[in-house]
Amino acid sequence: KNQVEQSPQSLIILEGKNCTLQCNYTVSPFSNLRWYKQDTGRGPVSLTIMTFSENTKSNGRYTATLDADTKQSSLHITASQLSDSASYICVVILSTDSWGKLQFGAGTQVVVTP
Amino acid sequence: SQTIHQWPATLVQPVGSPLSLECTVEGTSNPNLYWYRQAAGRGLQLLFYSVGIGQISSEVPQNLSASRPQDRQFILSSKKLLLSDSGFYLCAWSPARGGTGNTEAFFGQGTRLTVV
Repeated sequence: KNQVEQSPQSLIILEGKNCTLQCNYTVSPFSNLRWYKQDTGRGPVSLTIMTFSENTKSNGRYTATLDADTKQSSLHITASQLSDSASYICVVILSTDSWGKLQFGAGTQVVVTP
Repeated sequence: SQTIHQWPATLVQPVGSPLSLECTVEGTSNPNLYWYRQAAGRGLQLLFYSVGIGQISSEVPQNLSASRPQDRQFILSSKKLLLSDSGFYLCAWSPARGGTGNTEAFFGQGTRLTVV
């Protein structure tokens, strides 16, 4: 069973609208959580990183939140653009892994339509 | 600045043929290196990781192998490809540290492998 669950699996959104993606994790001990954006056929690119003591982190129109108590994170996209169409992947990094093992979610496929 | 190169971008190979995918990192020393496979609709699956030259750890049993002949070179290989080896392969690197801390992982552009 994947220890990092993302929802929804996919969503379609009109250009200019907002959307929120969810990430729930069960892995521990937690070190930090990242959201990546992966364009089709390309490698993932980091959007945000948060440690367990941080509640929110913004990167332009992307805002990530983290609740370490409930082990939930969300990624909010504001005023979506066509270029936001991509897969968004939640990644949890465990503090016990000296070589930086990453726990990946399956991703949420976002399609922004005109 | 650090860069990661992965090639080829796409590859179509017949069943039973060998495979060699190469990944190189520039601008850093002694990186941790990773090979991932991504199936459609699935998360990235870690195949191999390496913390140094000649040091390879395998996460899942499979038809693939990895080697690290140089500090910043990571190679994914197979002697005989299977249909199930088709997928999107990603190489990644992260700074080597005692703890993960704020370890960042940087990905290559990926290789789309189709075994026919």
